[in-house]
Amino acid sequence: SAVISQKPSRDICQRGTSLTIQCQVDSQVTMMFWYRQQPGQSLTLIATANQGSEATYESGFVIDKFPISRPNLTFSTLTVSNMSPEDSSIYLCSVENSRVRVGYTFGSGTRLTVV
Amino acid sequence: KNEVEQSPQNLTAQEGEFITINCSYSVGISALHWLQQHPGGGIVSLFMLSSGKKKHGRLIATINIQEKHSSLHITASHPRDSAVYICAVLGDTDKLIFGTGTRLQVFP
Repeated sequence: SAVISQKPSRDICQRGTSLTIQCQVDSQVTMMFWYRQQPGQSLTLIATANQGSEATYESGFVIDKFPISRPNLTFSTLTVSNMSPEDSSIYLCSVENSRVRVGYTFGSGTRLTVV
Repeated sequence: KNEVEQSPQNLTAQEGEFITINCSYSVGISALHWLQQHPGGGIVSLFMLSSGKKKHGRLIATINIQEKHSSLHITASHPRDSAVYICAVLGDTDKLIFGTGTRLQVFP
């Protein structure tokens, strides 16, 4: 199955600043997914990133707040812009593995704290 | 009501005990996933099920499509099994819907 390298693993940021999270996959994948997990909550899909087109955002998430880049089939970034303490969460990327038993591979997560 | 419900929310066990975590869902699905999340936040996929039963090492996952229910069993539990276990279903929209997780602590 695919292996994902996600960076940074954690960060503490000042409110009003932005943080860019990177995910590098060791194989070409069509779709990459970005999730947010707020403290004590389940994962929520932010957007689906397709190479060569704009990301598709879920209800409640907008491009100005969470811009996504997908320059090629192995890499994507998610930026959390103009951060507030409410953005403190774990952010994860994920890809689908259609050929293996487990279905999806997830990144190691980015634990973001906004102060 | 959440579309994916897990029970229990928290579970403690002594090393060696047999553990069961339950997942019920209310939507039509094409597959159900069991995931393991460690304290750092990273998630590992354990199983993808669409019917029957799967086994991998000490882990067993079952699903009953008619009853919309799945269970994850851990045999001979060990402290390293301590993690949050998350059930997720792939619904008609082709997007994963996640449960809130079961926090398991196994004590030596």
